[in-house]
Amino acid sequence: DTAVSQTPKYLVTQMGNDKSIKCEQNLGHDTMYWYKQDSKKFLKIMFSYNNKELIINETVPNRFSPKSPDKAHLNLHINSLELGDSAVYFCASSQDRGVGYYGYTFGSGTRLTVV
Amino acid sequence: AQTVTQSQPEMSVQEAETVTLSCTYDTSENNYYLFWYKQPPSRQMILVIRQEAYKQQNATENRFSVNFQKAAKSFSLKISDSQLGDTAMYFCAFMKRGNEKLTFGTGTRLTIIP
Repeated sequence: DTAVSQTPKYLVTQMGNDKSIKCEQNLGHDTMYWYKQDSKKFLKIMFSYNNKELIINETVPNRFSPKSPDKAHLNLHINSLELGDSAVYFCASSQDRGVGYYGYTFGSGTRLTVV
Repeated sequence: AQTVTQSQPEMSVQEAETVTLSCTYDTSENNYYLFWYKQPPSRQMILVIRQEAYKQQNATENRFSVNFQKAAKSFSLKISDSQLGDTAMYFCAFMKRGNEKLTFGTGTRLTIIP
C-alpha cells in the first residue's frame, strides 16, 4: 500500500511543452505539499495545500500551477517548460496543520528532465 | 526566516563504526520541531528521527540518536554500529510549530565503507 504516490516517476520532455505531475495520498492527511530538489540536492518548498485550500505559495514562476481537487490529491501543472525546470519534484503530506511533530510523508519523487 | 546549516558535505566511515552528522539552525522561535531525513540512492525521503524543541530529552530510534543543544541551536545525528544500508544523503530540517513549512539543510552525503 503506497502512502503517497506520484506519477510519473520519470518525465522527459522538450522545452516549451506543458506537463503535469499527479500526487495522491491514502493516509487521510489534511495537508499536501510540493517540493523541488535541484541538481545540488537542495530541497525547497513550492506549495502547500490544506483541505484543498492554498496555504503556502513560495516564489515560484506562475508557469507552475498546483491543483487540489480534494484533500487526497495535489497535482502540479507546468506550462512552457524551461531547461531550468529540470529537477526532482516531491509530493508530501502531513497529518495535522500547524502541529508538525510527525513531519512529512514523502512520495518517491518525479525526475523531470527538460531537453 | 529560519536557516539550517549542514557543514559536512560528505563523510565516510567504516562499517560498524559510529558517525556523527552536524546540523545547526538559526531561529528566533521557541516552539519548533527538528528532523533528520535520509535519502538513499532510491531517492525516497525517509524520516529517521524527530525532536520537539520543548523536550530536553534527546530522541533515540534504535541505532540513531540526536544531541539536541537548544541554546547552541545544534542538532547532530549519531549513527551507531553503521551498516551498509545507511549509505545515503542525510538532511536536517526545521519546522516552526504552527507552520507547515519544512526548511531543509543542504545535506550530508554519508558513505559506509565495507
